Amino acid sequence: DTGVSQDPRHKITKRGQNVTFRCDPISEHNRLYWYRQTLGQGPEFLTYFQNEAQLEKSRLLSDRFSAERPKGSFSTLEIQRTEQGDSAMYLCASSLSPVGSGLSYNEQFFGPGTRLTVL
Amino acid sequence: AQSVTQLGSHVSVSEGALVLLRCNYSSSVPPYLFWYVQYPNQGLQLLLKYTSAATLVKGINGFEAEFKKSETSFHLTKPSAHMSDAAEYFCAVTPNSGYALNFGKGTSLLVTP
Repeated sequence: DTGVSQDPRHKITKRGQNVTFRCDPISEHNRLYWYRQTLGQGPEFLTYFQNEAQLEKSRLLSDRFSAERPKGSFSTLEIQRTEQGDSAMYLCASSLSPVGSGLSYNEQFFGPGTRLTVL
Repeated sequence: AQSVTQLGSHVSVSEGALVLLRCNYSSSVPPYLFWYVQYPNQGLQLLLKYTSAATLVKGINGFEAEFKKSETSFHLTKPSAHMSDAAEYFCAVTPNSGYALNFGKGTSLLVTP
């Protein structure tokens, strides 16, 4: 049983560089979420996809951030021109859409996260 | 907007003592409420969830939580703490199933021998 995987687990970069993270959801899950967690805080929602469609973006997702899920499977999150304030743990989660599932709620399963440090 | 407030950023209990982690929610509609646990350098694991069925919800590892609408609370309890329970605990809310979660700031649980 493979869960949600994220790559890389750790990334150290210099300010101004671009970085890209990858998330592979649980295979049958059609929803995929990105969250950001800074030190001492709870995760904050960034964006989510249903299949390949990006259905919502948080105001936290500035123009330097872009997320894709081109074939409705894995997703990438790119940060351009990184800033020190981008240093955080980036978490990915996946779930089945509850529509048509017969359940009132479908659990979000989280990956281990990618820890980004911007120097 | 739906939100949760976790009272106490750090809680310390002795092994074998009662664990009580507090969470109050704010929601204009009947919410879905969750407790997640996070161990160091790991992702989040769902402990339990309230989805408008039974108000007393039992989860994994002996944890349970009670939804109290009159108090807008969803506190997490465990009768007897184990050393392995030491972790960060997050309460979360969402207005609809399958929607983005709004997390609290977390409570760090320390269990002492």
